[in-house]
Amino acid sequence: GESVGLHLPTLSVQEGDNSIINCAYSNSASDYFIWYKQESGKGPQFIIDIRSNMDKRQGQRVTVLLNKTVKHLSLQIAATQPGDSAVYFCAEGKGKGGGFKTIFGAGTRLFVKA
Amino acid sequence: GAGVSQSPSNKVTEKGKDVELRCDPISGHTALYWYRQSLGQGLEFLIYFQGNSAPDKSGLPSDRFSAERTGGSVSTLTIQRTQQEDSAVYLCASSLDRDFYNEQFFGPGTRLTVL
Repeated sequence: GESVGLHLPTLSVQEGDNSIINCAYSNSASDYFIWYKQESGKGPQFIIDIRSNMDKRQGQRVTVLLNKTVKHLSLQIAATQPGDSAVYFCAEGKGKGGGFKTIFGAGTRLFVKA
Repeated sequence: GAGVSQSPSNKVTEKGKDVELRCDPISGHTALYWYRQSLGQGLEFLIYFQGNSAPDKSGLPSDRFSAERTGGSVSTLTIQRTQQEDSAVYLCASSLDRDFYNEQFFGPGTRLTVL
């Protein structure tokens, strides 16, 4: 996959503010998109997903937006908390008939300032 | 309940040695995935197992890499004649069945360092 080496894109936000993490995906045939959160020393943890027949999906404090026209995915975190500090990965894949492979983006590091 | 477990958590080896990494998926999960994550990078797909079907090995970077899944449960990833570029965190994930839309649950990973 794409690599940004040791210098992940970084987003720094104040506690309580909203965060928006963006991702550009590569395959117009992808029909399933997932956001993962990875804290230091741990494996990725599922946050929220969205299928290509939707353009918005909301969870608890998180919203995923999908723009298929420009192949763009975003994760919005409301009222960001220190515990949200982590690396966030978007992932794309093609569902039934397209195999199972999940292609991960390089990640964005979120810092939450208290 | 128990999540995905991996062992060892850390492995330091010398260049040229073989290593085995183990993954215990969540009980009842029929799909199992191996990924590799180099420092500061995203996850690179390696291999996928689904039930008794032949695994998809298309992500394995070279023939030094192989994986097995015995009895549809535990999986081992073997790297032969390790090279320094093999140094990475190796992550295992499992999901309920082959439906792609099922959430993948990740283990904590094995950090491999090849000296």
